[in-house]
Amino acid sequence: EAGVAQSPRYKIIEKRQSVAFWCNPISGHATLYWYQQILGQGPKLLIQFQNNGVVDDSQLPKDRFSAERLKGVDSTLKIQPAKLEDSAVYLCASSFGRDNEQFFGPGTRLTVL
Amino acid sequence: AQTVTQSQPEMSVQEAETVTLSCTYDTSESDYYLFWYKQPPSRQMILVIRQEAYKQQNATENRFSVNFQKAAKSFSLKISDSQLGDTAMYFCAFMNYRGGRDDKIIFGKGTRLHILP
Repeated sequence: EAGVAQSPRYKIIEKRQSVAFWCNPISGHATLYWYQQILGQGPKLLIQFQNNGVVDDSQLPKDRFSAERLKGVDSTLKIQPAKLEDSAVYLCASSFGRDNEQFFGPGTRLTVL
Repeated sequence: AQTVTQSQPEMSVQEAETVTLSCTYDTSESDYYLFWYKQPPSRQMILVIRQEAYKQQNATENRFSVNFQKAAKSFSLKISDSQLGDTAMYFCAFMNYRGGRDDKIIFGKGTRLHILP
């Protein structure tokens, strides 16, 4: 069974630029999560989708971050404009349902200069 | 608000030894899940073990077991017969079970575990 796919794996941008990350969850998983993991900390949930609807985006900085999950499968997370403090690993995870095990992707390491 | 505290930023043990990672959490809820996740240097996070708060029996998965003390709000992970492949960052995590919008997983800051040959 294929795991959660993410791309790109690494991205370096300058502050005020835009960036987008892509996630392809495990087939059949209805729930998709985006986490931000700053160096030395545990992951923090940014947004959670159930199919193509947003369940929780309370910790998403909506002035600069946006995410969508068209057709309830793939998802993109965008940052516009990026700030230095956005440097982190962005993890995507998916699960069959909200109470089921979350499977994580390899993450995208973002460096903002 | 729920919090998860891991008091050991880093630990090292010899291969084949037993090691215990500590975790405490704070919540006023009675129904919740607790997790230990492993994040190897390649960064793909995987679930090690999961405990439902309503279950008194401690969860076990092969060499991994937990000591769940609900009254003390403590959830430690014991790794027996440690192996080089156990070297990783370990995160303790908590999730409410209320079916509400705030049923998100909250992670601790992690414990970096080194298994020495």
